[in-house]
Amino acid sequence: DAGVIQSPRHEVTEMGQEVTLRCKPISGHDYLFWYRQTMMRGLELLIYFNNNVPIDDSGMPEDRFSAKMPNASFSTLKIQPSEPRDSAVYFCASRGAQGNYGYTFGSGTRLTVV
Amino acid sequence: KQEVTQIPAALSVPEGENLVLNCSFTDSAIYNLQWFRQDPGKGLTSLLLIQSSQREQTSGRLNASLDKSSGRSTLYIAASQPGDSATYLCAVIPLSIYNTDKLIFGTGTRLQVFP
Repeated sequence: DAGVIQSPRHEVTEMGQEVTLRCKPISGHDYLFWYRQTMMRGLELLIYFNNNVPIDDSGMPEDRFSAKMPNASFSTLKIQPSEPRDSAVYFCASRGAQGNYGYTFGSGTRLTVV
Repeated sequence: KQEVTQIPAALSVPEGENLVLNCSFTDSAIYNLQWFRQDPGKGLTSLLLIQSSQREQTSGRLNASLDKSSGRSTLYIAASQPGDSATYLCAVIPLSIYNTDKLIFGTGTRLQVFP
């Protein structure tokens, strides 16, 4: 298995532009998570899905952020409009419903909003 | 609210030393605990997962222990090598009637092993 795949690896955009981050979870994993990592706040959970359904989006900072999971193999995190304070590394992770419940993280997308 | 703390925040040691990294959590009601490694500019790599019913897990030179009653976990690294240099993160899944899905991360320990 190729693991959790995120794209793009790096994104530089201007303030006000729309940004879309993409994630492909491990096949067969029922849970998908979006995290954000900054120096100030560490790793924060933004939202997670179970069987493609959003379960908890309480970590989404504001209405500018939205996430979708149209099918079991794809999810997007969209920021519109983007702001400089959104600059961070965004990680996607997936986890199976059975077994040892271990999480697998993608390599992350480093977002810079100028 | 579950809070996870890691001590020390940073550690610099010569190659060959045996190391202990500490993780504390405020609520002992956890589903499991997972240790991760993060290299600079990279994602998180899972090292060890300890279920709430387990006391420890071992993988190669790594050994992680769990004491739920005291709210502590330790990661033991034997015979450290420069390649072990990274940030080590522990994370817990709280046992909640609402959900058992959220992974709550500690603040991390930045380890440097010099030759």
